[in-house]
Amino acid sequence: AQSVTQPDIHITVSEGASLELRCNYSYGATPYLFWYVQSPGQGLQLLLKYFSGDTLVQGIKGFEAEFKRSQSSFNLRKPSVHWSDAAEYFCAARSGSARQLTFGSGTQLTVLP
Amino acid sequence: ETGVTQSPTHLIKTRGQQVTLRCSSQSGHNTVSWYQQALGQGPQFIFQYYREEENGRGNFPPRFSGLQFPNYSSELNVNALELDDSALYLCASSSGTGRRASYEQYFGPGTRLTVT
Repeated sequence: AQSVTQPDIHITVSEGASLELRCNYSYGATPYLFWYVQSPGQGLQLLLKYFSGDTLVQGIKGFEAEFKRSQSSFNLRKPSVHWSDAAEYFCAARSGSARQLTFGSGTQLTVLP
Repeated sequence: ETGVTQSPTHLIKTRGQQVTLRCSSQSGHNTVSWYQQALGQGPQFIFQYYREEENGRGNFPPRFSGLQFPNYSSELNVNALELDDSALYLCASSSGTGRRASYEQYFGPGTRLTVT
């Protein structure tokens, strides 16, 4: 079955530190991959997406993600975290013909001052 | 360009009642998908509507139903509400479907449903 796994339920980093959120997928073929962010009580905002080509993709708010086919991973990174980045982050995937996105269970990010 | 909007923002219902949630898709988008997000979990796909017809469904019972209108707005209806239906309901809009679908879905702010 197709699935997306986010191994880290909760991550805490200090403001200004670097960040990496992990995402692994299990699909027959490489799916389309996405990272979304959700602030408390809010909907989902698309941070970035990967369809094909360059394996390092840039997104909004200074985020980037790297696709690694050999590891079935699509990890999200940011070189320097800001307090406003505290939120929940979801990795999602969609196969080429699927209607829906399949989401991971999310990683809650806490940023310490 | 107008984003995805949803109404109401919050809703409290009693077990056994029926509820209707509404979604207006982003300008230029003809496909609407509905997701249920229980507390502490990722969103789960309920169904998708394209050109006013259901176009795919997740693992949800028939008491979850929907409509799409000619202007591409959509409704989610839930009958015989159960306590486990308490969740954030998210609407997402996109263009096309299947292999002709746009790659990304854009989400609205959600409707928080509480069933007591």
